[in-house]
Amino acid sequence: TAGITQAPTSQILAAGRSMTLRCTQDMRHNAMYWYRQDLGLGLRLIHYSNTAGTTGKGEVPDGYSVSRANTDDFPLTLASAVPSQTSVYFCASSASGELQDEQFFGPGTRLTVL
Amino acid sequence: GQNIDQPTEMTATEGAIVQINCTYQTSGFNGLFWYQQHAGEAPTFLSYNVLDGLEEKGRFSSFLSRSKGYSYLLLKELQMKDSASYLCAPMDSNYQLIWGAGTKLIIKP
Repeated sequence: TAGITQAPTSQILAAGRSMTLRCTQDMRHNAMYWYRQDLGLGLRLIHYSNTAGTTGKGEVPDGYSVSRANTDDFPLTLASAVPSQTSVYFCASSASGELQDEQFFGPGTRLTVL
Repeated sequence: GQNIDQPTEMTATEGAIVQINCTYQTSGFNGLFWYQQHAGEAPTFLSYNVLDGLEEKGRFSSFLSRSKGYSYLLLKELQMKDSASYLCAPMDSNYQLIWGAGTKLIIKP
């Protein structure tokens, strides 16, 4: 099984441009998450969704938006990219967002904003 | 506030034992996770503790003391492939994981 897939693998983006990072899971998990990982810092939660049709803000949501139209997909959009959004972005999922379930991670998207 | 503290880097010898410590402060507590992350890859689940004590899983063990806000990951019979970052992540009252910056473990032959 594929688990969680993310696209693209990497991207260089001009500041001010918009971009959508894609995330798809085939485990029928209810909860999905977007994190960013920067050198020397822990994973920081951007947005999450505990079930299709609902989303919530994490620790660092500014400049990002998400949607959860169905169970499998959880795209992350940068409306107008800035250099501080240069990071590695990980999508994750868990069976439930309201239980102590382990999170499974996608391979990540490495984004550089110039 | 919420805070996770773990060493930035540790070095150990192949075949030896290493203990990676983690102290935490969170708003509520729903257990603590340890993840392994090889360079350039995604984190993968290693262990979960919700009750005090030691959980053993092969070469890896994880310990939790809720009263002290303390956990450790014990790796035995170290192999070169254990060179990775180890992430401590307690779960808060909202079932959100609070991630430490990770401990980079370097294994030397």
